[in-house]
Amino acid sequence: DTAVSQTPKYLVTQMGNDKSIKCEQNLGHDTMYWYKQDSKKFLKIMFSYNNKELIINETVPNRFSPKSPDKAHLNLHINSLELGDSAVYFCASSLTRGHSNEKLFFGSGTQLSVL
Amino acid sequence: DQQVKQNSPSLSVQEGRISILNCDYTNSMFDYFLWYKKYPAEGPTFLISISSIKDKNEDGRFTVFLNKSAKHLSLHIVPSQPGDSAVYFCAASAQGAQKLVFGQGTRLTINP
Repeated sequence: DTAVSQTPKYLVTQMGNDKSIKCEQNLGHDTMYWYKQDSKKFLKIMFSYNNKELIINETVPNRFSPKSPDKAHLNLHINSLELGDSAVYFCASSLTRGHSNEKLFFGSGTQLSVL
Repeated sequence: DQQVKQNSPSLSVQEGRISILNCDYTNSMFDYFLWYKKYPAEGPTFLISISSIKDKNEDGRFTVFLNKSAKHLSLHIVPSQPGDSAVYFCAASAQGAQKLVFGQGTRLTINP
């Protein structure tokens, strides 16, 4: 009964392909996020959704498109993958709209390798 | 422009001694600070937090200190245990920003 689960755990693909990463939370939280851990190890926010509404879009290329069919799911679709997209992608959720004193609950990450 | 930095990529401490992890930030609008712990192949998990109106918060073996004038916070773990070996991320948020800004993490290794 994992709280925030994301699939797949590993994703190896060729440049130019399109891929999706799925995320689901069973915590009843209203807000979900995608974070990217880059080569320098910083965790950087990409998107957040509150009850299926886009709240944050942190200057991410248009090739990245989040989709939230309901508040328990936030999927990440990436078109025309590039070498620089290789990273670990973390899904997370929080109870409300990510107020400053709120905790995030993270999934275990998806390691994306673009060859 | 990294607003939260952890300048020590790794730290090695003997079991039973004190571990001190440091974090610096640049944005004076940050009003809440958190530490997350991450084991390999898992996501970060919340450890301890502190509001900017305080300078210290303690939870068992873990204490976070905040020095607002220096824009610096630290996490103290005492006594350190082997299970504390992990990567520790410092994070900060500003009122109304609805997001956490993370540092790059410090890998802590506790040696028996």
